[in-house]
Amino acid sequence: GDSVTQMEGPVTLSEEAFLTINCTYTATGYPSLFWYVQYPGEGLQLLLKATKADDKGSNKGFEATYRKETTSFHLEKGSVQVSDSAVYFCALSEGYGGATNKLIFGTGTLLAVQP
Amino acid sequence: ETGVTQTPRHLVMGMTNKKSLKCEQHLGHNAMYWYKQSAKKPLELMFVYSLEERVENNSVPSRFSPECPNSSHLFLHLHTLQPEDSALYLCASSQGQGAKNIQYFGAGTRLSVL
Repeated sequence: GDSVTQMEGPVTLSEEAFLTINCTYTATGYPSLFWYVQYPGEGLQLLLKATKADDKGSNKGFEATYRKETTSFHLEKGSVQVSDSAVYFCALSEGYGGATNKLIFGTGTLLAVQP
Repeated sequence: ETGVTQTPRHLVMGMTNKKSLKCEQHLGHNAMYWYKQSAKKPLELMFVYSLEERVENNSVPSRFSPECPNSSHLFLHLHTLQPEDSALYLCASSQGQGAKNIQYFGAGTRLSVL
């Protein structure tokens, strides 16, 4: 079945460091790919998405490129801030008809940014 | 007002209690979802409702009973739970078809079963 694999955390960085969180996926079709972020005590928020190969999603300085050849969707940010400390989830979606889709999540990666 | 609201935020219950979780979405969406988030495990999809009809029950034990009275409200009725059911329960909603649509999540209900 479809699956998402993320690098295990926690990832601990100093402020202004470069961030990469690796994500690879297995899917039989042509999924859309997402990064969600969960701040402490909150639900998940969409950070960015890409719906087809070579698309680049970007938001708040974060970027990820949909790489079909390597089945990857790595999250990057050039300069992290303390406020970026959160859990980051990679997910894929394959619609199965009607008005719904099915999101398959990775296990999440905790990012801790120190001042 | 936030898009997806879940109540209560925290719930402690005994194994013999009956309680309900509530989710309300103010986004005009036509699909709603229940997820379970346990420590060190991927989010698990529990139930999916589309246009108030259940379209997925992901092998969830019968001690969890969903209800979707209209497109804005979703409930999860709980009875005779086990300690391993302690987790964060997340509700989400979406609009539109196919893999491109975005799910919007509530803040969750943190459930502890004693």
